Amino acid sequence: QKEVEQNSGPLSVPEGAIASLNCTYSDRVSQSFFWYRQYSGKSPELIMSIYSNGDKEDGRFTAQLNKASQYVSLLIRDSQPSDSATYLCAVNVGDYGGSQGNLIFGKGTKLSVKP
Amino acid sequence: DVKVTQSSRYLVKRTGEKVFLECVQDMDHENMFWYRQDPGLGLRLIYFSYDVKMKEKGDIPEGYSVSREKKERFSLILESASTNQTSMYLCASRPRDRVVNTIYFGEGSWLTVV
Repeated sequence: QKEVEQNSGPLSVPEGAIASLNCTYSDRVSQSFFWYRQYSGKSPELIMSIYSNGDKEDGRFTAQLNKASQYVSLLIRDSQPSDSATYLCAVNVGDYGGSQGNLIFGKGTKLSVKP
Repeated sequence: DVKVTQSSRYLVKRTGEKVFLECVQDMDHENMFWYRQDPGLGLRLIYFSYDVKMKEKGDIPEGYSVSREKKERFSLILESASTNQTSMYLCASRPRDRVVNTIYFGEGSWLTVV
């Protein structure tokens, strides 16, 4: 059974601090990794995708991938109260006859940014 | 922008009723998915489809069926609704593109079975 693990939190950080969210996965052949943000009562929205080892930056967000360690993380710099949400890590697994497999989601880490 | 539309946002159904959840995407995506999301259990895949009239079971297909007669539309069917199917249902789509393979979600359908 392929799995994606995240700490459920809640992770609480003060406004302006760096929030660090972590995720490990079990499928060694996975090539695509995603971070989604989900506000309460809303559907998940994509904030970052990463496909290669190393760091990928987009504004205040940095995704980090280490395939050897099967580890992916998300850093949020200058955290704002509006960043308070649940962050879902997703990993692409499998490949069915030319399709692209499926995303397996972690259960999410709840982030709270205190003013 | 990608648009995934779930026609029913909030539904209340009785035990034993047949329930249809409809999903339409406007980006010509080949792949479509149905997930359910429950507190403490996260997002779980019910069914997916990678082409018209094609379907594959996900992790929790029991009690559900799907229909994909047209590329843009993917329907989830609860043959006989039960209270343990009370949940938030999320439809999603993604292109068959090995470079950009992001999955996009609809706004969700909240189903309560009483």
